[in-house]
Amino acid sequence: EIVLTQSPATLSLSPGERATLSCRASQTVYTYLAWYQQKPGQAPRLLIYEASHRATGIPVRFSGSGSGTDFTLTISSLEPEDFAVYYCQQRSDWPLSFGQGTKLEIK
Amino acid sequence: QLHLQESGPGLVKPSETLSLTCTVSGGSISRSRYYWGWIRQPPGKGLEWVGSIYDSGSTYYNPSLRSRVTISVDTSKNQFSLELSSVTTADTAVYYCARPHQIIAARSAFEIWGQGTVVTVSS
Repeated sequence: EIVLTQSPATLSLSPGERATLSCRASQTVYTYLAWYQQKPGQAPRLLIYEASHRATGIPVRFSGSGSGTDFTLTISSLEPEDFAVYYCQQRSDWPLSFGQGTKLEIK
Repeated sequence: QLHLQESGPGLVKPSETLSLTCTVSGGSISRSRYYWGWIRQPPGKGLEWVGSIYDSGSTYYNPSLRSRVTISVDTSKNQFSLELSSVTTADTAVYYCARPHQIIAARSAFEIWGQGTVVTVSS
């Protein structure tokens, strides 16, 4: 099973700041990596697929990069609604797996 | 606009079988060419993929659950279902059904999610 490790576990920032979240895979997943945002009591929302492609309706301040084993989700300028938990997910191999999440909280 | 809705008992006794249904509206499962999925999330924890089913009935399961999981599809009702047998308290979670982002691909990100349903395993 491919293990995805996300860092940091918690990130404390202020609105307007830049957020950089990391996801590292235990073996290559090529660019078969997605990012999700989840707010309390809600289902996850797909932000990025294939490492760098924004899903439909996702604001341009969200961007993804990376390939192989190291990936980054960047939020260029945090809006109040961006404070949430973020998960990465790989689709390179069975079983599909998710990282443990990064909580982005207001500083 | 595609909508997914999970339904089923919110409380299941240990050793019994958890049964959930996902009803799809605003689109058809039949010949959709999607692998429809189930994902779960224990309280306060992360996401775990349970399994996926193609519109024709082909399935993939998480090996950690394979011996206990059955996913089926009923295209006449536009539904797909999850059964998890011999449940324990570790199966307590929010269970989500979801449609993948990509057609045909058995492995995919999930683009459209149901709201989730809470299932508690307790006597």
